[in-house]
Amino acid sequence: IAGITQAPTSQILAAGRRMTLRCTQDMRHNAMYWYRQDLGLGLRLIHYSNTAGTTGKGEVPDGYSVSRANTDDFPLTLASAVPSQTSVYFCASSDSAAGGDEQFFGPGTRLTVL
Amino acid sequence: GQNIDQPTEMTATEGAIVQINCTYQTSGFNGLFWYQQHAGEAPTFLSYNVLDGLEEKGRFSSFLSRSKGYSYLLLKELQMKDSASYLCAVEDSNYQLIWGAGTKLIIKP
Repeated sequence: IAGITQAPTSQILAAGRRMTLRCTQDMRHNAMYWYRQDLGLGLRLIHYSNTAGTTGKGEVPDGYSVSRANTDDFPLTLASAVPSQTSVYFCASSDSAAGGDEQFFGPGTRLTVL
Repeated sequence: GQNIDQPTEMTATEGAIVQINCTYQTSGFNGLFWYQQHAGEAPTFLSYNVLDGLEEKGRFSSFLSRSKGYSYLLLKELQMKDSASYLCAVEDSNYQLIWGAGTKLIIKP
C-alpha cells in the first residue's frame, strides 16, 4: 500500500441498506477525515479523528458513523442509506490535526443510493 | 456563518497567466490552502499560506491578505495539464478545513 486507499471504488446501493466505506493509510498519520463532495458544493466534513481511539463530528454527520480502532483504518458506515447520501466520498489523512498540515486524499468512493 | 467564495469557472490560453481569487469569512483563521483536483480524481495539495504575502512555488504562486479575507492563486506559463478545478480551503479556529466549491479552469490551445 502506498499512501491512502479506499474501497470500494464505486457502489450502487438500495435505500435502507447498511454500507461501510473502507479507508486505510500507511503513512502513520495521526489525523483522518471523511468528506463528501457534491456538484456545486465544496468538500464537506462528515467525521474526523485526531488520533487513534478518538472521533469527532464534522459539518454533516447525520446518518453516518465512524470508528478509529487503530492508526491505519478509518471506516465510514451508513446505517440505513438514503438517496441524499448519493455522493463522492473522500477519505483523507494528515500528520496531525494541529494546523498547517497538508491533507492527503484517497481516490474516492462514488456511491449511488437508489 | 462561514463562507468561501471562488469563481465557478475560468478560461485561459495555453502559455498565459491566470489568477484565481478566493474570499473568505470564517470563524477564526489558522491558514489557507489551495488544492488542485483533476476531473474524477482526488484533490492534491498546492500551497499553504498563514502569513500575509506571496508564496512562490515554481509556476504556481499563492497570495494572502488576512485583513481583507482574500487570497489568490497565480498560475504562470499555463499548460494543458493545468486544466482542473482549484479548491480554496480555510483552516478555522478548530483546525478544520472549510472548503470553497472550487474554480474549474479550462485551458484552450
